Amino acid sequence: EADIYQTPRYLVIGTGKKITLECSQTMGHDKMYWYQQDPGMELHLIHYSYGVNSTEKGDLSSESTVSRIRTEHFPLTLESARPSHTSQYLCASSEWQGASTGELFFGEGSRLTVL
Amino acid sequence: AQTVTQSQPEMSVQEAETVTLSCTYDTSESDYYLFWYKQPPSRQMILVIRQEAYKQQNATENRFSVNFQKAAKSFSLKISDSQLGDAAMYFCASDMRFGAGTRLTVKP
Repeated sequence: EADIYQTPRYLVIGTGKKITLECSQTMGHDKMYWYQQDPGMELHLIHYSYGVNSTEKGDLSSESTVSRIRTEHFPLTLESARPSHTSQYLCASSEWQGASTGELFFGEGSRLTVL
Repeated sequence: AQTVTQSQPEMSVQEAETVTLSCTYDTSESDYYLFWYKQPPSRQMILVIRQEAYKQQNATENRFSVNFQKAAKSFSLKISDSQLGDAAMYFCASDMRFGAGTRLTVKP
């Protein structure tokens, strides 16, 4: 069982509210990721991090921001939620395999609904 | 950046039969890993099988095996003796990038 945790699992919130999705892992992995996924659809990489103080934008443009102050913690923040942000957000982590990326371990996801 | 392509949005297989899911990828890396992940409905994404690119031998995990063709940049997943519990979305991945997924239905 993977040791990566996401909270909240479900969130229903009104337009304009600020939200933070939490992601923590206890495996000591340097690399962490956020994906956006509509149910049953493909995963879109929105943010990733190579380690503390490293954050990069992914392939899908997102209004969210991330931070990586501690190795184990990689929160995602939306300053002003909109209905278009309604989706599932998956957090993952991995270790380096040489110069490559090893297996990704996923959290259970945070399902966000913005009214 | 790596790109991963899955051209089969949906596949169906009879229980106990064999099915193959296709995947192609593109990378400029010389040393890399390829993965197949399974995402059951409303459940966590988990690893099915991995392949190290420098290994010529195809990876096998019980009923799951891959056909890795490095020159063709092809990485297909074969599921033998399909079971009802194999029904899920299957994603091929290279580095941090995923294909669009294949939804596998298993018919009893």
